[in-house]
Amino acid sequence: KQEVTQIPAALSVPEGENLVLNCSFTDSAIYNLQWFRQDPGKGLTSLLLIQSSQREQTSGRLNASLDKSSGRSTLYIAASQPGDSATYLCAVSPQTGANNLFFGTGTRLTVIP
Amino acid sequence: KAGVTQTPRYLIKTRGQQVTLSCSPISGHRSVSWYQQTPGQGLQFLFEYFSETQRNKGNFPGRFSGRQFSNSRSEMNVSTLELGDSALYLCASSLVLGRETQYFGPGTRLLVL
Repeated sequence: KQEVTQIPAALSVPEGENLVLNCSFTDSAIYNLQWFRQDPGKGLTSLLLIQSSQREQTSGRLNASLDKSSGRSTLYIAASQPGDSATYLCAVSPQTGANNLFFGTGTRLTVIP
Repeated sequence: KAGVTQTPRYLIKTRGQQVTLSCSPISGHRSVSWYQQTPGQGLQFLFEYFSETQRNKGNFPGRFSGRQFSNSRSEMNVSTLELGDSALYLCASSLVLGRETQYFGPGTRLLVL
């Protein structure tokens, strides 16, 4: 069974710092990997999707990389802002292409003004 | 384009009752998936529907069921509620199975007393 782990579980940084969130998964037979953010009590907002054949994706200050063979992904946030404070979740979809995402436990990020 | 909508947003039920939650996907999306989020287990996949057919089911008891209508709207039902069913229930929609970003609704928060 696919297991997804995120380290660290919580992270506090001062505003303006660059930071990296880590995600690892046990089964490399994935179709794609997505990064989401979740604000307290809210739904999930999709940030980036990386297909299994891709190495990275960028959107604004966010850059996600994928190393499928080693079962790792990182989310790089540049010049962090207080508005980036949220829980960040990574999720992988199975190689079958089905929609049953396997989620990590999340990293709770706090950006201190 | 309107996002994924879920109704109701909050529910309070007592043990033994049943509940029905509704999800309207983004216009044009044909795939709807449901997830349960709890502090202890995180986000877990319940089931997914595509073209009114259940395509995949997670590891939940038969008390959890769902359906999808011809307009792609979906409902999930939980019968004989237990205290452990208290959770945030999220639905997500995508254009097709597994290849596209999944867009999540705000969730329905269910409290079972």
